[in-house]
Amino acid sequence: SAVISQKPSRDICQRGTSLTIQCQVDSQVTMMFWYRQQPGQSLTLIATANQGSEATYESGFVIDKFPISRPNLTFSTLTVSNMSPEDSSIYLCSDSPRGRVTYGYTFGSGTRLTVV
Amino acid sequence: LAKTTQPISMDSYEGQEVNITCSHNNIATNDYITWYQQFPSQGPRFIIQGYKTKVTNEVASLFIPADRKSSTLSLPRVSLSDTAVYYCLVDSGTGRRALTFGSGTRLQVQP
Repeated sequence: SAVISQKPSRDICQRGTSLTIQCQVDSQVTMMFWYRQQPGQSLTLIATANQGSEATYESGFVIDKFPISRPNLTFSTLTVSNMSPEDSSIYLCSDSPRGRVTYGYTFGSGTRLTVV
Repeated sequence: LAKTTQPISMDSYEGQEVNITCSHNNIATNDYITWYQQFPSQGPRFIIQGYKTKVTNEVASLFIPADRKSSTLSLPRVSLSDTAVYYCLVDSGTGRRALTFGSGTRLQVQP
């Protein structure tokens, strides 16, 4: 299965600032996905990132708040913009598996964001 | 997308077998059933995937009845390190869309 390196692992940020989270996959993948996980809660999909096209956002998430880049097939970033305490959460990326018989999706270890 | 329903929490003791059942009444013909495990401060980790009948790997077994409307993840002889949240998901297996996570089952293993 793939290995995903996600950075930073955690950060404490001032409200009104922005944080960019990076995910590096050890092999090329068609799509990458970004999730948010509130403490003690399940994962909620933010957006799907395809290389060479704009990300597709889920209801409740907008590009101005969560801009995503996908410059190549092994890398993606998610920026949390103009942060408020409500953005405090864990952010995770995942890849898309390769083929029907798979070992599932691989996830980054997550970025724990605290906005003060 | 098929919605899954599983118990919110379960308790067990070391050495016991744990069975977590998931309901997915609206599963589509092409969908696979997949289970993930998540430890605190980590991303979910793939455990096992199946389409029908029984699948077994070095970590767990997955039992799927003929109607595929439910599935059971079986963890043999759990240890303290199996304390985690377990998610049951229904997935097309094509990798073309993101996973949809339900609430998961929080398993607490006690000594």
